[in-house]
Amino acid sequence: GEDVEQSLFLSVREGDSSVINCTYTDSSSTYLYWYKQEPGAGLQLLTYIFSNMDMKQDQRLTVLLNKKDKHLSLRIADTQTGDSAIYFCAESKDTGRRALTFGSGTRLQVQP
Amino acid sequence: DSGVTQTPKHLITATGQRVTLRCSPRSGDLSVYWYQQSLDQGLQFLIQYYNGEERAKGNILERFSAQQFPDLHSELNLSSLELGDSALYFCASSVPNSPLHFGNGTRLTVT
Repeated sequence: GEDVEQSLFLSVREGDSSVINCTYTDSSSTYLYWYKQEPGAGLQLLTYIFSNMDMKQDQRLTVLLNKKDKHLSLRIADTQTGDSAIYFCAESKDTGRRALTFGSGTRLQVQP
Repeated sequence: DSGVTQTPKHLITATGQRVTLRCSPRSGDLSVYWYQQSLDQGLQFLIQYYNGEERAKGNILERFSAQQFPDLHSELNLSSLELGDSALYFCASSVPNSPLHFGNGTRLTVT
């Protein structure tokens, strides 16, 4: 079955890099996503990666995919207090056609 | 702003009651998804509609039902409410080959 796992909490200092990790079990997952949820808000799509890619960079965000180990990471460079939120990893076999399976979310706390 | 609109933002009701949550997808999106977010269960997929027809079912209780109308908006009906149904209910929409975009959710409190 499908399962996505994340660590629950990460604390970093402002200006440092944050790395949020995720593992998934379904080897047929073809799309992997990162969503951000701020307090009282909805889920904001940050970025996503197709399974035939190893890396994707978008400004301060870098996504790394190790398909062999079924490991996905999100690196946030120069982390700011505004990055404090819950970050969800999610997977799908087909983007835009199927529902996503989400991890439990990692709460990122950025200390000033 | 994702373009997905959910109403109401908050809903407080009593056990045994029935409520309807509404979702307007992004313009042009044919698929609508409903998710429940609770502290103990996390984000759980409930149901998906595509152009008015049910496409997939997840962990949706029999007391819950949904539909998608010809104008593509969707409603999630929750009946015989229990305390454990208190949660944040999200709607998302998409087109094929594009990721899901989520609304801001409806927070349901059952007292």
